[in-house]
Parts: sequence; C-alpha cells; structure tokens
Amino acid sequence: NAGVTQTPKFQVLKTGQSMTLQCAQDMNHEYMSWYRQDPGMGLRLIHYSVGAGITDQGEVPNGYNVSRSTTEDFPLRLLSAAPSQTSVYFCASSSRQNYGYTFGSGTRLTVV
Amino acid sequence: AQSVTQLDSQVPVFEEAPVELRCNYSSSVSVYLFWYVQYPNQGLQLLLKYLSGSTLVKGINGFEAEFNKSQTSFHLRKPSVHISDTAEYFCAVINTGGGNKLTFGTGTQLKVEL
Repeated sequence: NAGVTQTPKFQVLKTGQSMTLQCAQDMNHEYMSWYRQDPGMGLRLIHYSVGAGITDQGEVPNGYNVSRSTTEDFPLRLLSAAPSQTSVYFCASSSRQNYGYTFGSGTRLTVV
Repeated sequence: AQSVTQLDSQVPVFEEAPVELRCNYSSSVSVYLFWYVQYPNQGLQLLLKYLSGSTLVKGINGFEAEFNKSQTSFHLRKPSVHISDTAEYFCAVINTGGGNKLTFGTGTQLKVEL
C-alpha cells in the first residue's frame, strides 16, 4: 500500500518554464489537495478536489492549474514558473468519512 | 471561513519535561480538529484528531489534546518528552459545514534538549 506518491522529489526550473508535479493515491480517497509550505507560513492550500472531475481554488491558486480526470491522480501544473513559486509542495488525500488526510513526502521546487 | 492560530513559533523544553503546544481556532460553524507532526525533510504525519465525542483525544507517541469549545482551543500535551519528539507541529481545522478543506496554523517548532 503506497499511500500518496509524489514525483519528482526535487526540481529546479528556470523562470518562465512550465512543469507538472505528479500526485497519485491508491486508497480510493475522494478528497485530494495541494499545499505549499514556506518558512513561517505553515501550509497553504493551493487547489483541492472533492472527486473526479471536480476541483476548486484554495487560498493561493494564482499561477497553478489542476485537473482530476481519475480518482487516483491529481497533477499540479505550473504554466510559467516564477521565483515566488520556490517552495515545498505537498499533495494529500482523505476519505469522505475519515477526514484524516494522508500526505505525500513532498516536492522541493526551486525557480531560478 | 475558518482559521487557526499557533501563537508559539518555537518551544524549547528539556528531555523528560512536560510540554503544551497551544492552538486556537476561529470558525462560525462546528469544526473537526487535527494535530500533525513533521520531522525534518519529511511529510506530515497525523498525530491525533477530534471529530466528536470525548473532548480528550489520545494520539500516537504519547501525545494527547483537549478540545475546549468555550475557549475555541485544542492544545497538544505530552507529560514527558523525548529527544525524538523534536519536530514541527501543526494544528489544523476543517469546517463541518461542507467540503473537506483542511486549514493549517503556522506551526510550532518543538526543540527537546538534554
């Protein structure tokens, strides 16, 4: 049982480049979320999904896109990377009944 | 909208001493409450959660928390800490009103010293 798998673990981008952070869960969870973690700011919600085909914006959605075509996958897209997007990104999933989110191990992204 | 306040950004404590990490929340509706722990360079791990029932919740690694609705608090406690408890601790909240949006506080760095 892998839980929540994030790839890649590390990434360096140049300003203006695009990329997709991958997130997959094998627990058949309905809810999935993306967070970014910055020093002193805790974790801030970027986008979330309550099921396949349904997504919504969180606290800091600008510069990020998401889609959820399957229950298992919830990729996060950076269309044009900016230095302000340098951060650690976490994906998480939860069942509708349990409410306890399971987190991936994170992706450390640096934009230069 | 809900919010979480963790007033202490850092808490130093000696090994085998008790510790309390404070968490206060704000919400116009009922909430579910959580504590997560993050060890260096790792993801977050659920310590404990309050959904309903007894206001004293016991979690992993000897931690417990008490839900106080009148004071809108959910403080985390451990009677005797160990060096291995050194980590960052996050309090988080979900509104019961709808969806499953988990909102975090800014975290408390617990440093256990010999």
